Amino acid sequence: ETGVTQSPTHLIKTRGQQVTLRCSSQSGHNTVSWYQQALGQGPQFIFQYYREEENGRGNFPPRFSGLQFPNYSSELNVNALELDDSALYLCASSQGTSGSTDTQYFGPGTRLTVL
Amino acid sequence: QKEVEQDPGPLSVPEGAIVSLNCTYSNSAFQYFMWYRQYSRKGPELLMYTYSSGNKEDGRFTAQVDKSSKYISLFIRDSQPSDSATYLCAMRVNFGNEKLTFGTGTRLTIIP
Repeated sequence: ETGVTQSPTHLIKTRGQQVTLRCSSQSGHNTVSWYQQALGQGPQFIFQYYREEENGRGNFPPRFSGLQFPNYSSELNVNALELDDSALYLCASSQGTSGSTDTQYFGPGTRLTVL
Repeated sequence: QKEVEQDPGPLSVPEGAIVSLNCTYSNSAFQYFMWYRQYSRKGPELLMYTYSSGNKEDGRFTAQVDKSSKYISLFIRDSQPSDSATYLCAMRVNFGNEKLTFGTGTRLTIIP
């Protein structure tokens, strides 16, 4: 187990709705990254937060937003859901140091289905 | 063209066989290379982590990086049914907080 938890496990929404996904990182991990994994694809980087500030963003529209809190929890918010947003959403935590061996530990993911 | 290419499989081999999984990449700036294993309905689990060219061995797993050819491999010796999973290669440019760029994953089944 990586010590990274995500909730909920599964979620069904309809097109146009808004959704909030939650992640709890390992204690002491200052960095959280969010990825979207479509069926049969590898994870795609959405964005990353370091000490509550956005620290990099992938090729995703502004309706994907996030928050990171001091207690090592974080959120991914998606507005105006589209059918193509159906995917497994993964969060990954890391220590956020400059060490070359810093690695990202993934949670089990939240499977989002948009109808 | 994707930055990281990986044969999606599926790949089926008999128990005990040697498995070879491969990825190619186009971004010569990638320096850190990882292999993740992902079981069905689970998050990716880090298997191997290598820096620059060369081999790294950990038990039945060997990771190989050839930066001149932009090619990485994962070898699994004495494969077991419990190795059945999707294997994802991932890479990044710099150390620290850099985002990971993944391949599409190869689905592997070990037949008892």
